[in-house]
Amino acid sequence: DTEVTQTPKHLVMGMTNKKSLKCEQHMGHRAMYWYKQKAKKPPELMFVYSYEKLSINESVPSRFSPECPNSSLLNLHLHALQPEDSALYLCASSQDLSGANVLTFGAGSRLTVL
Amino acid sequence: GQNIDQPTEMTATEGAIVQINCTYQTSGFNGLFWYQQHAGEAPTFLSYNVLDGLEEKGRFSSFLSRSKGYSYLLLKELQMKDSASYLCAVRSDRGSTLGRLYFGRGTQLTVWP
Repeated sequence: DTEVTQTPKHLVMGMTNKKSLKCEQHMGHRAMYWYKQKAKKPPELMFVYSYEKLSINESVPSRFSPECPNSSLLNLHLHALQPEDSALYLCASSQDLSGANVLTFGAGSRLTVL
Repeated sequence: GQNIDQPTEMTATEGAIVQINCTYQTSGFNGLFWYQQHAGEAPTFLSYNVLDGLEEKGRFSSFLSRSKGYSYLLLKELQMKDSASYLCAVRSDRGSTLGRLYFGRGTQLTVWP
C-alpha cells in the first residue's frame, strides 16, 4: 500500500459546526503533515507530527486542532471556522524527518465554510 | 520566512524541451524538491537535490546550485500529459526543528500539440 487516504473528499460546514478531517497511511511512515492549499496557490505547511508527537505548528489558529492517535492516523479537528478557511486540506506522510524525506500526499479534502 | 520564486506560466509544444527555473533564499537549507500537481489532484514527487549538480531520472532532470540559490527542472520529449503545475519546494531545518518543506507558487506548464 503506497497511498495516503483522506476522508471526506468534500466537506461543507457552517461557522458554528464541529467537524473532522481524517488521514490514514499504511506505509510505516513516522512523519505526517497537514498542508492547506487555496486555489492557484502553493500548499502552506500547517502541522508536522513525528513519531506521533507534534513537531511543528506554523502558528495555526486554535480553531484547527490536530491529533495523531497512532502512527497510521492523523486527524484535523475543525471548530468555529471562518469562510476564509475554505480550501483544499492536504495530508502527507514521509518515512521520517531525515533530509531526503519525500512526502507522499493524499488527494485532499476540499472544505467549504459557509 | 522563505523566498521561493518561479515563473507563473510557461508553454511549450509536444516533443520539445522546457526548463523551469526556481530561485530561493532560506536559512537552514537541507534540500530542494520538485513536485508535479495536476489540477484538482495531490502533488506527486519528481526529484530531489541536496548537493550541487544534476540529477537525471528518465525524461526529467533537476539541477541545483546552492551557492546561487538556484535550481531548474528540465523536461524533455514533452507530452500532453506533462501539462500541470510544477512546484519547487525547499526544506528548511532550524536547530532541532526538522521537517519544514516550503513550496513556491508553482509554474503552470501548458503543452500544445
